[in-house]
Amino acid sequence: DVKVTQSSRYLVKRTGEKVFLECVQDMDHENMFWYRQDPGLGLRLIYFSYDVKMKEKGDIPEGYSVSREKKERFSLILESASTNQTSMYLCASSPPPAYEQYFGPGTRLTVT
Amino acid sequence: RKEVEQDPGPFNVPEGATVAFNCTYSNSASQSFFWYRQDCRKEPKLLMSVYSSGNEDGRFTAQLNRASQYISLLIRDSKLSDSATYLCVVNKNSGGYQKVTFGIGTKLQVIP
Repeated sequence: DVKVTQSSRYLVKRTGEKVFLECVQDMDHENMFWYRQDPGLGLRLIYFSYDVKMKEKGDIPEGYSVSREKKERFSLILESASTNQTSMYLCASSPPPAYEQYFGPGTRLTVT
Repeated sequence: RKEVEQDPGPFNVPEGATVAFNCTYSNSASQSFFWYRQDCRKEPKLLMSVYSSGNEDGRFTAQLNRASQYISLLIRDSKLSDSATYLCVVNKNSGGYQKVTFGIGTKLQVIP
């Protein structure tokens, strides 16, 4: 059974803080993704990675960066959190060619 | 125009009813199509892939119309447990990798 875990279910941070969201998958998947989900906007792709140390911008990368040092781990970094980054963050992984994505439970981030 | 469009609903239907959702996509080069289901406060999970010939899984039928650029999901004999948000997903090749785009989802509420 594929398992994707995320470091926190709920997180509250202050404006300007650096925030790390961690995602780990246990199925040796090449592809990993970070999304944010907001009411009325759906799931929007922030960044994705098709291999270790490889990253590609998604549709809304501004204000975010990522790191993939190991195949099983994909980190999302908010360099200086802002209130408009309050959202649900979902990590996913998939084998190539990214047909079925397996999602983690999500991290609800609140920036105050 | 959005790449993937869905009616957000909600669709309120009685138990036992048949309900259908459509999803339109703008890029004719799109290659693969899926329906995901997302329960309230949970992560999305793959419901079914959508093939040109159409496919059926129990009470669920998915169809693709490439000429009109839409996919559909039909649910027969609705159950209370079908209440969820149904996300349409469209993949296309982009620079050697698969670009995945989610619709905003259609909310279904099955009422007793």
